[in-house]
Amino acid sequence: DVQLVQSGAEVKKAGQSLTISCQGSGYSFTTTWVGWVRQMPGKGLEWMGIIYPDDSDTRYNPSFQGQVAMSADRSINTVYLHWSSLKASDTAIYFCARRDASGSYLDYWGQGTLVTVSS
Amino acid sequence: SFELTQPPSASVSPGQTASITCSGDRLERKFVCWYQQKPGQTPVVVIYQDKNRPSGIPERFSGSNSGNTATLTISGTQAMDEADYFCQAWDGNSPVFGGGTKLTVL
Repeated sequence: DVQLVQSGAEVKKAGQSLTISCQGSGYSFTTTWVGWVRQMPGKGLEWMGIIYPDDSDTRYNPSFQGQVAMSADRSINTVYLHWSSLKASDTAIYFCARRDASGSYLDYWGQGTLVTVSS
Repeated sequence: SFELTQPPSASVSPGQTASITCSGDRLERKFVCWYQQKPGQTPVVVIYQDKNRPSGIPERFSGSNSGNTATLTISGTQAMDEADYFCQAWDGNSPVFGGGTKLTVL
């Protein structure tokens, strides 16, 4: 079965760094695009960017460019989302999601990682 | 930039038909999908490529896309369909989400 399993909830202070992860299994992880989606409390879904684990080709939503960094470790089927200096406004649930083979939708999602940043 | 617009809320009586719209410039030229998200849960795709249902999604869910508007239709709506619904299309290599519609089954 296809699964995306994300790392657990995090509680941080503003200014701290953080990396969360998303590990895939049950499919060809390295040759499937994986994206990150933010959902702030009580709000909608926001696209952050997408990464191709095989060569770490990454495309960022301009709104998030420079705010986060995406990376991949193909040897352990894992993608990462990193902040070097968190802000209180980064408080949200972060989902990873797989782009389906046709490229037209996100067919499998991780369970989400809640990041809480206090000021 | 490309944007998708949804009504923030919709309501329907049990057993009736719910329609949720998603508007965008020349949207018919793009494939649209719809996600259902219940409180505290992960989004689940209910329609992809305008009108296709993934396996396991009930037949009461259907979709269409014409002109500038895509529509998600739920026939014979059930209480379990109460959720937030997000449309999504691709702008190049980036997905764009609608703001979401909260469907209430009264």
